[in-house]
Amino acid sequence: ILNVEQSPQSLHVQEGDSTNFTCSFPSSNFYALHWYRWETAKSPEALFVMTLNGDEKKKGRISATLNTKEGYSYLYIKGSQPEDSATYLCALSYNQGGKLIFGQGTELSVKP
Amino acid sequence: DTAVSQTPKYLVTQMGNDKSIKCEQNLGHDTMYWYKQDSKKFLKIMFSYNNKELIINETVPNRFSPKSPDKAHLNLHINSLELGDSAVYFCASSQEWGRTTKTGELFFGEGSRLTVL
Repeated sequence: ILNVEQSPQSLHVQEGDSTNFTCSFPSSNFYALHWYRWETAKSPEALFVMTLNGDEKKKGRISATLNTKEGYSYLYIKGSQPEDSATYLCALSYNQGGKLIFGQGTELSVKP
Repeated sequence: DTAVSQTPKYLVTQMGNDKSIKCEQNLGHDTMYWYKQDSKKFLKIMFSYNNKELIINETVPNRFSPKSPDKAHLNLHINSLELGDSAVYFCASSQEWGRTTKTGELFFGEGSRLTVL
């Protein structure tokens, strides 16, 4: 059974702090790694889809890295803002079939 | 214009009833999915359809039956509802996987919260 683990489960930071969290996954049969941002009462929205070892992607203050050999991805948020408060999900695809295995998410709370 | 829309958003019903949740996407995507958010908040795939054809069918009780009348719609019908079916169900869509450089990211609906009493 493939397992995707995210840590920490929750994180509380002050506005302006930079933060990062981890997604760990089995490195065998890797196809793609997704990051989603999920605000309360809304639907998850894709941030990044990463496929290559060493990939780095950036969107504004949010960036992500990928290491497929050791099976982890980091998500970084620089200068956190209250509007960054959300649950951040990572999901693993291990084949072309479109099936994603989600982690439990990291719940980020940014206090003004 | 909502890209992936689900109805109803909330559904409260009695055990043993039959109910449906509808999903529509206006993104022109080929693939649609149903995910269930379990009690530990994990999103777990139930079904996937590609161009009206079932391509993923996880270990889901056969009381759950998806129906795709066309590639823009994927409905979920649940027979003989049980207490354990209470959950939030998410519909999603994506462009078809694997064929091109398309990313395959999922576009989610806002979820349908089902409560079985």
